[in-house]
Amino acid sequence: QKEVEQNSGPLSVPEGAIASLNCTYSDRGSQSFFWYRQYSGKSPELIMSIYSNGDKEDGRFTAQLNKASQYVSLLIRDSQPSDSATYLCAVNGAGKSTFGDGTTLTVKP
Amino acid sequence: DGGITQSPKYLFRKEGQNVTLSCEQNLNHDAMYWYRQDPGQGLRLIYYSQIVNDFQKGDIAEGYSVSREKKESFPLTVTSAQKNPTAFYLCASSIAYRGGTDTQYFGPGTRLTVL
Repeated sequence: QKEVEQNSGPLSVPEGAIASLNCTYSDRGSQSFFWYRQYSGKSPELIMSIYSNGDKEDGRFTAQLNKASQYVSLLIRDSQPSDSATYLCAVNGAGKSTFGDGTTLTVKP
Repeated sequence: DGGITQSPKYLFRKEGQNVTLSCEQNLNHDAMYWYRQDPGQGLRLIYYSQIVNDFQKGDIAEGYSVSREKKESFPLTVTSAQKNPTAFYLCASSIAYRGGTDTQYFGPGTRLTVL
């Protein structure tokens, strides 16, 4: 079992829809959680960080964390074609940062 | 502008050669990291440094070496011992190490290809 698993893609949604990206992790001692967006051929850029249970909203993005169930999710409302990218979940703890393999999102006009 | 720079953007290596990837940051961050990304996969940690003159092996350090002589610089050498070095290499930094929990910011990356 991988330490950080993301829902297998690719994920395709129509423009204006809600995209839901999920991530589960195995280390219960994990302390901080991050979502990065990575366009093809580019480096990851930070979208959201979340540290405590519940929801955190930033514009069209909402991160949700449930430590008891060991999952973190990212919702993208009013999806735009410019949101088409690979989304990486990163889980930090035990002295290191572990990344999932990413979920590729395509938003169709 | 503050940020992380990596050079070169593209690098080609012949088998048996050592090559060095540059990473520089002017964010005044203490911690720096090197990751490798293969197609369709996440990032895997090669080495990290919490502070000048200190560095630690990550999950896939074999065939790589680093140095941290200056706070702003963390070069990575891919040695001939690394049998499959073709990948996208990413350098990152964070304010402090803090057990790896700090937010990491990434440079633009170097794409290494073995000829």
